[in-house]
Amino acid sequence: TQLLEQSPQFLSIQEGENLTVYCNSSSVFSSLQWYRQEPGEGPVLLVTVVTGGEVKKLKRLTFQFGDARKDSSLHITAAQTGDTGLYLCAGALDTGNQFYFGTGTSLTVIP
Amino acid sequence: DTGVSQDPRHKITKRGQNVTFRCDPISEHNRLYWYRQTLGQGPEFLTYFQNEAQLEKSRLLSDRFSAERPKGSFSTLEIQRTEQGDSAMYLCASSSSSGGDTGELFFGEGSRLTVL
Repeated sequence: TQLLEQSPQFLSIQEGENLTVYCNSSSVFSSLQWYRQEPGEGPVLLVTVVTGGEVKKLKRLTFQFGDARKDSSLHITAAQTGDTGLYLCAGALDTGNQFYFGTGTSLTVIP
Repeated sequence: DTGVSQDPRHKITKRGQNVTFRCDPISEHNRLYWYRQTLGQGPEFLTYFQNEAQLEKSRLLSDRFSAERPKGSFSTLEIQRTEQGDSAMYLCASSSSSGGDTGELFFGEGSRLTVL
């Protein structure tokens, strides 16, 4: 079993709709990152959150770190076709520097 | 190009053969990671180096897998006696410890392994 579970695993929505992706764990993380990956490429960092309860906004994307630093969410407003991709959360445990990735959410935005 | 580069990009091999992948990280990055990823899933942590020291190795990694970073620059990942279950994308990432524990991981494009 993976340390971080994401839901939903697959998401297909119409352009203009809103969506939320969840990243959950029973472990506490010193920091949590969100990445987006397109086919044939490596993941690319979107944001890093480090403080429990922290909210960060990146244009139409809103990221939240849970108060207990065990979970996170990514909300996309008015999705565009360019948002299509695999969204990954990744957490760093307090005990080490390695990042553990979530199970991934594959998003398809239909024009 | 100063990004992370991986070689080869694609490798097809027969079961039982050995394969080796190379990763050249961003030159000023002292941390290097190897991950394995199957289609539509998140990357699975394999191992992590800080400079030339291998600081952590996943318990999921069998003894057929070995990684080195001899001079603290490029790294190699070798898989011995490959099995069909080894078929996956092998991703390398690097980061700088000056970013602390929140340092961004910069990924290469991966090496796709197919074991027949």
